Amino acid sequence: DAKTTQPNSMESNEEEPVHLPCNHSTISGTDYIHWYRQLPSQGPEYVIHGLTSNVNNRMASLAIAEDRKSSTLILHRATLRDAAVYYCILINQGGKLIFGQGTELSVKP
Amino acid sequence: KAGVTQTPRYLIKTRGQQVTLSCSPISGHRSVSWYQQTPGQGLQFLFEYFSETQRNKGNFPGRFSGRQFSNSRSEMNVSTLELGDSALYLCASALWRGGTDTQYFGPGTRLTVL
Repeated sequence: DAKTTQPNSMESNEEEPVHLPCNHSTISGTDYIHWYRQLPSQGPEYVIHGLTSNVNNRMASLAIAEDRKSSTLILHRATLRDAAVYYCILINQGGKLIFGQGTELSVKP
Repeated sequence: KAGVTQTPRYLIKTRGQQVTLSCSPISGHRSVSWYQQTPGQGLQFLFEYFSETQRNKGNFPGRFSGRQFSNSRSEMNVSTLELGDSALYLCASALWRGGTDTQYFGPGTRLTVL
């Protein structure tokens, strides 16, 4: 399974954009890039996924580098409720998420 | 739609006992996966079932087993419990969307082994 590398922690101010980076230099052509987050005392929650093109949904945007070796999850306006651990995961077969340590995002009011 | 439900939410067992955890997926989801979360090891994949067949398996000993029923509900069993099995056990059901599975997690079962 291809691995991802994320910073252990990041800080943001409320209502400012947040860019969470992820490196995945060994990504294969069939790997999808998924992002999940886990809020305190809850199960992980799907955020967004993509293959090659940038993606947007109501929660976030995903920017994928042209060579696909890195990606960035963008929260356009961080709120206190966005404080969580964010996981970047590569998937090329269903039903098997390999979680790394993730990035713990703290949001300051 | 109702989300993924897991029962029980909390469980206390002693070493050597066995335990069965239950997971009801979101209606229409045919894939169910199980994960173990501990402070030391983080989130680790246990196994995945699809249409009553185990499709993927993680690196856990044979004491950890599971099954899926025809209504997609799944159970996970751990036999001969050890102290290190104390963890949050998470179940997720999956929806095929945009060329890949998207997983929806339940709240988990907190297992404490004494």
